Amino acid sequence: DAGVTQSPTHLIKTRGQQVTLRCSPKSGHDTVSWYQQALGQGPQFIFQYYEEEERQRGNFPDRFSGHQFPNYSSELNVNALLLGDSALYLCASSSTGLALVTDTQYFGPGTRLTVL
Amino acid sequence: DAKTTQPPSMDCAEGRAANLPCNHSTISGNEYVYWYRQIHSQGPQYIIHGLKNNETNEMASLIITEDRKSSTLILPHATLRDTAVYYCIVRVLGSARQLTFGSGTQLTVLP
Repeated sequence: DAGVTQSPTHLIKTRGQQVTLRCSPKSGHDTVSWYQQALGQGPQFIFQYYEEEERQRGNFPDRFSGHQFPNYSSELNVNALLLGDSALYLCASSSTGLALVTDTQYFGPGTRLTVL
Repeated sequence: DAKTTQPPSMDCAEGRAANLPCNHSTISGNEYVYWYRQIHSQGPQYIIHGLKNNETNEMASLIITEDRKSSTLILPHATLRDTAVYYCIVRVLGSARQLTFGSGTQLTVLP
């Protein structure tokens, strides 16, 4: 059973560019959450997707956007990159359909984004 | 979701039990206690969660006090591979809410 996968593993961009990160959820999961983790800090919630719609959003600017596909995979897009966007971007999947039982989030390995 | 307090760091000798405390004095009746750990530069790994009864799985045990204001994660026989940042999070089960991470506890297992 494949776990949560993310691509790419590492990425280097320059200020002002745009980036797209990808996530495939764990088999049987239908919900994807994205987190940003700056160096030395805990992960911060960006947003969550369920049924191809953004269900919740953290305190991040509109430069951060996302998408969920019918197969439940998801993309995170960041426009107009800033130096401060350098971080580890984490994807977590869970199952809303089984919410009454458990909606434990399982994380992928992350994508390390460096903005120069 | 309730806020948690954890010590910033702890050491443990290899082969001994590691006991990681967490205070969550404002926890609500429908909030569960979750534990995750993050080995350097990897994604957080789910360990265990519980409501009020003690829980055990193949990774760890979770002891929650009767008043639910604190809990302890126990790794019964710590190994060097257990060196990681451990996060205690309280969250309503089934709410589909995000996880709110604090600073966690850096556990270092010493040889």
